[in-house]
Amino acid sequence: TQLLEQSPQFLSIQEGENLTVYCNSSSVFSSLQWYRQEPGEGPVLLVTVVTGGEVKKLKRLTFQFGDARKDSSLHITAAQPGDTGLYLCAVVNAGNNRKLIWGLGTSLAVNP
Amino acid sequence: DVKVTQSSRYLVKRTGEKVFLECVQDMDHENMFWYRQDPGLGLRLIYFSYDVKMKEKGDIPEGYSVSREKKERFSLILESASTNQTSMYLCASSWGLRDRTTPMGNQPQHFGDGTRLSIL
Repeated sequence: TQLLEQSPQFLSIQEGENLTVYCNSSSVFSSLQWYRQEPGEGPVLLVTVVTGGEVKKLKRLTFQFGDARKDSSLHITAAQPGDTGLYLCAVVNAGNNRKLIWGLGTSLAVNP
Repeated sequence: DVKVTQSSRYLVKRTGEKVFLECVQDMDHENMFWYRQDPGLGLRLIYFSYDVKMKEKGDIPEGYSVSREKKERFSLILESASTNQTSMYLCASSWGLRDRTTPMGNQPQHFGDGTRLSIL
């Protein structure tokens, strides 16, 4: 069974701090997606990582796919209140590639 | 931009009622999905559809059915609502086989803003 573990579950920080959240599994994945869900809205795709060791940057967000393609991290530099939300990782279901398997998410609160 | 529209943001129904949740997407996507999202349980797939009139059960289909008569519309039906179906319901869509430039597993899902359903 493919399982995705996200940590930490909750994170509350002050504006300007740096943070890293993680998405881990014992399975190997061909790709991994990161989404952000703001309060009262649906999740929105941030990035897809495909290659082991790949690093992608999206302004102050840095995404890394582990060399073995079993894990990924999201680092936010100088967090802002607008970064507040639920960060979800997702991978394709090996049994049916139309479906995604989702982690439970990291709930981030950035306080002004 | 892809637009996925859910018919209601908030809905209150009574136990035993038949409830319809509607979702429309404007990008001609092949795949459409219904999830429910509950604290501590994350996103759980109820049903999905990969073509008109085609559907597959997700992880928690019990108590639900779906209908996809037109490509752009995917409806979720609670046959006889119960209190344990109180939840946030999210609809999503994605490209399928028509997008030959992106592997299926890399295709993003585009979500609506959700319907918060309360069953009293």
